[in-house]
Amino acid sequence: KAGVTQTPRYLIKTRGQQVTLSCSPISGHRSVSWYQQTPGQGLQFLFEYFSETQRNKGNFPGRFSGRQFSNSRSEMNVSTLELGDSALYLCASTLGGGRDRYTEAFFGQGTRLTVV
Amino acid sequence: LAKTTQPISMDSYEGQEVNITCSHNNIATNDYITWYQQFPSQGPRFIIQGYKTKVTNEVASLFIPADRKSSTLSLPRVSLSDTAVYYCLVGDAAMNRDDKIIFGKGTRLHILP
Repeated sequence: KAGVTQTPRYLIKTRGQQVTLSCSPISGHRSVSWYQQTPGQGLQFLFEYFSETQRNKGNFPGRFSGRQFSNSRSEMNVSTLELGDSALYLCASTLGGGRDRYTEAFFGQGTRLTVV
Repeated sequence: LAKTTQPISMDSYEGQEVNITCSHNNIATNDYITWYQQFPSQGPRFIIQGYKTKVTNEVASLFIPADRKSSTLSLPRVSLSDTAVYYCLVGDAAMNRDDKIIFGKGTRLHILP
């Protein structure tokens, strides 16, 4: 089956602009999580969506937002971009819905965002 | 989520067995132990998961002592392509739990020729 697809793979934006990233999870997976990865901070959890509802949120400012559609595809948006938002943004999909084991997460290739 | 502690970095040579230990003193009864591998500019990839004793798959083995306060990921006969960051995670496996997965700093494994 197809893996997790993130688009676009690379993006260059200017400070102050906004950006929308997209993630298509594995078919049948209902949970999508977003992460920001930078060399200094490592992998940081942004938020998790399940059945179109944000279920968990990390410690990021309100400029970072997301949503999930009825087909489980998810988008994240960053408004008023800052230089420090330059990072690899990863999304992960899991089955979701409370299983009887800690679920395996499948990650996409990520979107490399550069803010200039 | 239980806090985990693992070495920041390790070096080894091709053909050697590599063992990466993770400490999780506050592991809860329902927690599973999961390891992920990440190559540069790629998303993490699931390696192995276990609850107690030993788990083995085609990639690695996971050893968990009886008290479950630590675990060891064992990579047999490593090659240069095993150079990556390895993350140890401990999480709740109870029914209806959410899927929030938090990564620590990981162990940067460098395989030398």
